[in-house]
Amino acid sequence: EAGVAQSPRYKIIEKRQSVAFWCNPISGHATLYWYQQILGQGPKLLIQFQNNGVVDDSQLPKDRFSAERLKGVDSTLKIQPAKLEDSAVYLCASSLADRGNNSPLHFGNGTRLTVT
Amino acid sequence: DAKTTQPPSMDCAEGRAANLPCNHSTISGNEYVYWYRQIHSQGPQYIIHGLKNNETNEMASLIITEDRKSSTLILPHATLRDTAVYYCIVINFNKFYFGSGTKLNVKP
Repeated sequence: EAGVAQSPRYKIIEKRQSVAFWCNPISGHATLYWYQQILGQGPKLLIQFQNNGVVDDSQLPKDRFSAERLKGVDSTLKIQPAKLEDSAVYLCASSLADRGNNSPLHFGNGTRLTVT
Repeated sequence: DAKTTQPPSMDCAEGRAANLPCNHSTISGNEYVYWYRQIHSQGPQYIIHGLKNNETNEMASLIITEDRKSSTLILPHATLRDTAVYYCIVINFNKFYFGSGTKLNVKP
């Protein structure tokens, strides 16, 4: 079974520029998550999709962050404009979510963003 | 959502069992306990999860107390490759909120 794919692996941009990250979840996984992980901290949930609908985006800074999951498969997370404090690893995860709370998340290896 | 408390770091000798504790005293009846680990530069890796019964798989064992207020992840024979940050998470409605985890240092 192929895992969660993310690209790019690394990205360096200047502040005020825009950036986009792409995620392809495990085939058949209905639920998709984006997390932000700042160095030394645990992952912080940004947004959760169920198929192509948003379940929870309460921690997404909506003035600069946006995410979409067209057709309920791939997803894109965008930052526009970027700030220095957005430097972090952006992780995508997916889950079958067919058994309620009894479905593990599976993570990709993330995109490391550096904002200079 | 129930919160979890874990020690920030632990040491373990190679070949010995590593026992990682987690407190989740506010857990409710339908919330599962999950364990993940994260090795530097990789995404978190799923280890094991359970509701109220003890669980075992090829990676680890999960012991949940009868009142479900705490649990212990057991790595039976720790190796240097088990050095990582271990996260204990309590989930409901498929929401996974991570804390700071326990940094396990396996030493030769």
